[in-house]
Amino acid sequence: AQKITQTQPGMFVQEKEAVTLDCTYDTSDPSYGLFWYKQPSSGEMIFLIYQGSYDQQNATEGRYSLNFQKARKSANLVISASQLGDSAMYFCAMRDSAAGNQFYFGTGTSLTVIP
Amino acid sequence: GAGVSQSPRYKVAKRGQDVALRCDPISGHVSLFWYQQALGQGPEFLTYFQNEAQLDKSGLPSDRFFAERPEGSVSTLKIQRTQQEDSAVYLCASSLYLEQGRNQPQHFGDGTRLSIL
Repeated sequence: AQKITQTQPGMFVQEKEAVTLDCTYDTSDPSYGLFWYKQPSSGEMIFLIYQGSYDQQNATEGRYSLNFQKARKSANLVISASQLGDSAMYFCAMRDSAAGNQFYFGTGTSLTVIP
Repeated sequence: GAGVSQSPRYKVAKRGQDVALRCDPISGHVSLFWYQQALGQGPEFLTYFQNEAQLDKSGLPSDRFFAERPEGSVSTLKIQRTQQEDSAVYLCASSLYLEQGRNQPQHFGDGTRLSIL
């Protein structure tokens, strides 16, 4: 079974608008961490935001916020006030105890910001 | 340098040749990871080091893949007798020590794009 599912292969958003990128995960471990990374066309993976399974509040980092719904096992990334430079692939990842030290990544969502 | 450094950036090899990919992690990062990323896919875990110890190599696809980190800093991923299916981007990541139950982000290099002809 897929540990991380990203169902949106591609998304478009108008510049300055907000966009939500979906991520659902599968684990029976009560202790886990969820991460979002951005991968521009140049290839580097850039860490954006982290949410721990025991965190009471949704994580926020500047224009990025994580809509964490534990019961639904979803960890959607919200990007507010989209900028042209936000156009990239976005990957959701999870680490749980069963995983040891590896991260499981989803297949990614390609975001295009339209001027 | 400040970030994870990988070399070469691009590597083209003929089928059957051996290749070696280098990763220089962030200074002080105990944990080092190798991932394989096929075109249009997310990264897939290959192997993990804590200092010089290779604690997990469950993701290595075959015995042609070998990784080492002899002094606990720089790591090399070696692929012997390369096949066309080995063509991918190989990403290296490092992080601070991952205590049980603690989560640290992994910081990635730019990757090595390997093409096997």
